[in-house]
This record gives sequence, C-alpha cells and structure tokens, in this order.
Amino acid sequence: EAGVAQSPRYKIIEKRQSVAFWCNPISGHATLYWYQQILGQGPKLLIQFQNNGVVDDSQLPKDRFSAERLKGVDSTLKIQPAKLEDSAVYLCASSFAGQGYEQYFGPGTRLTVT
Amino acid sequence: AQRVTQPEKLLSVFKGAPVELKCNYSYSGSPELFWYVQYSRQRLQLLLRHISRESIKGFTADLNKGETSFHLKKPFAQEEDSAMYYCALSLFYNQGGKLIFGQGTELSVKP
Repeated sequence: EAGVAQSPRYKIIEKRQSVAFWCNPISGHATLYWYQQILGQGPKLLIQFQNNGVVDDSQLPKDRFSAERLKGVDSTLKIQPAKLEDSAVYLCASSFAGQGYEQYFGPGTRLTVT
Repeated sequence: AQRVTQPEKLLSVFKGAPVELKCNYSYSGSPELFWYVQYSRQRLQLLLRHISRESIKGFTADLNKGETSFHLKKPFAQEEDSAMYYCALSLFYNQGGKLIFGQGTELSVKP
C-alpha cells in the first residue's frame, strides 16, 4: 500500500511570510495527525483529526497555525505569519483509527524560517 | 503532566555488544508505550509496543510500572541498528491515540 504522502519536502521562507503543507494519508485511515519536530527534540502533536473533525488541537498555536481536513481525506497545515521558532520538520501521520492502532508517518516537510 | 524522558542523546557501542536505551515516563494512569525508530533517510516507524510483548529485530522492551520505565534492549548490537530511537507514551484515556514522544536517543553501532 502507498504510504503517507507529504509536500513540499523542503521549504525556506522569511519570517512573517505564510506557508502551507499538504498531507495525503493512507487510504482508509480515519485518523490524521500533524506533529512538529524541532531539531534535537521528539515530535510534538499539533492537531489530530478523526475523519474531518478535530479531536485534539490543544498544542496548536491558533494565533498563527491553522489546519483543515476537508472531506476527511487530505489535510493542509498553514502558518501565517511564520516566526523564526517555527523552523522544524512537520510530520503527518495517519492511523486506521485512534487508540490502539499504529501510526504511519510521512517523510516530513523541513521548514526553515529566515 | 505526562512526560517521556530519554536521558541519553547519544549511545555508542561496538558491534556485538549489548544495548540498552533508557526510557522513563511520568503518568499516573495505565500507559501504553511504544518504541519508534528512524533509520537514516527513512520515515519514523513503529519498532515495538509493550502490549504485543513481541521481539522485533532482536529488540525487546519490558514495561516496569514500579520504576515507570520502558527500556529497549538488544543482547548483540548490529551495525544496521544505528538509528534514532524514540520512546512514546499513549494515554489510555485518550481514545484518539495521541503520542507523547521523548527527545530521542541516537544509537551508533561501530564495527
């Protein structure tokens, strides 16, 4: 089966600019996660969707980050405006359901904010 | 607060030596614990989970609730084991399966 797809793989922007990331989960996976991984740290959950509804967005900086999962399939994560501290790898993961199911990760998008 | 701690950022061993990657967690409820691995230029992937109690690629991990630990062990390290290893905690009450990751340990196996 095809894995989780993400694009772009790399992005360099200046601070205060906006950026968007795209994720296509494994077909049939109802749960989709966005993680932020800052260099030297483990991934941190930003937002979790169950189909097209938000399950957990407690750690999403809502003043600048937004995410949507229209039709319960693809998802986009947006940052507007970006700050230097947003430089990180953004990982998308999906699972068949939530608790108890393995999460499959995409290759990530490496964002550099200058 | 729930937390996962991996005290070693880097662990370097010689091929054939035993390996133990440490993981401690902080959570008062019933945890579900995982080890994820990321090989060079590859995606983060599940290595093993404590519920299944299985051995993957020679690695095992035992949940010790008394010591709140979930250390990853392998009796004889191989060069292909070199990778980043992340311990992760899933909160039992969170039906969404949210994972809390440790900072990771880089394992380097020298020939």
